[in-house]
Amino acid sequence: GESVGLHLPTLSVQEGDNSIINCAYSNSASDYFIWYKQESGKGPQFIIDIRSNMDKRQGQRVTVLLNKTVKHLSLQIAATQPGDSAVYFCAENSGGNQFYFGTGTSLTVIP
Amino acid sequence: DTAVSQTPKYLVTQMGNDKSIKCEQNLGHDTMYWYKQDSKKFLKIMFSYNNKELIINETVPNRFSPKSPDKAHLNLHINSLELGDSAVYFCASSNMWGDQETQYFGPGTRLLVL
Repeated sequence: GESVGLHLPTLSVQEGDNSIINCAYSNSASDYFIWYKQESGKGPQFIIDIRSNMDKRQGQRVTVLLNKTVKHLSLQIAATQPGDSAVYFCAENSGGNQFYFGTGTSLTVIP
Repeated sequence: DTAVSQTPKYLVTQMGNDKSIKCEQNLGHDTMYWYKQDSKKFLKIMFSYNNKELIINETVPNRFSPKSPDKAHLNLHINSLELGDSAVYFCASSNMWGDQETQYFGPGTRLLVL
């Protein structure tokens, strides 16, 4: 099976600071990655994705970085807000529609 | 308007019972999924259907039987419920099997087996 893991299970940041959530994957054939945000009591929600032909992609306040050499990706959240408090998952895909999810990082934003 | 909906939201039942969870999507997608999320938040795919046809069937006990009456619905029936079945079950959908398309998740069904 696939192995998608996160370095830190929990992360606490001050409101207004930047957050960085990391994810390691083991399948070198994976070429598509998604970050999901899951708020308490809700289903995962798409944040941003990146394909393996890119090493950086930016969205609104979020940036995903992909390092294929070390099979690592990260999610950066700028000016973290209380509404960003959630569990964040990375998911990898090596073709088709089967995604493998990491264990999740719980982000807590301190007001 | 809810894109992917599931019923019920909460399900508490006794061991040995049979229960069903329903899922509907109004996104016009042709691929639907069931995921299980355990108490440690780990999400694992169980099944995937494309145009009512079973595509993915991970190592899941045969007490779990998905049913897709049409493209917009994917139900999950569970026989002889066990304590270890307690989890949150998420339905998801995406467009076009074979392409790397984003999956949209429902709100989840919280199953507690006593």
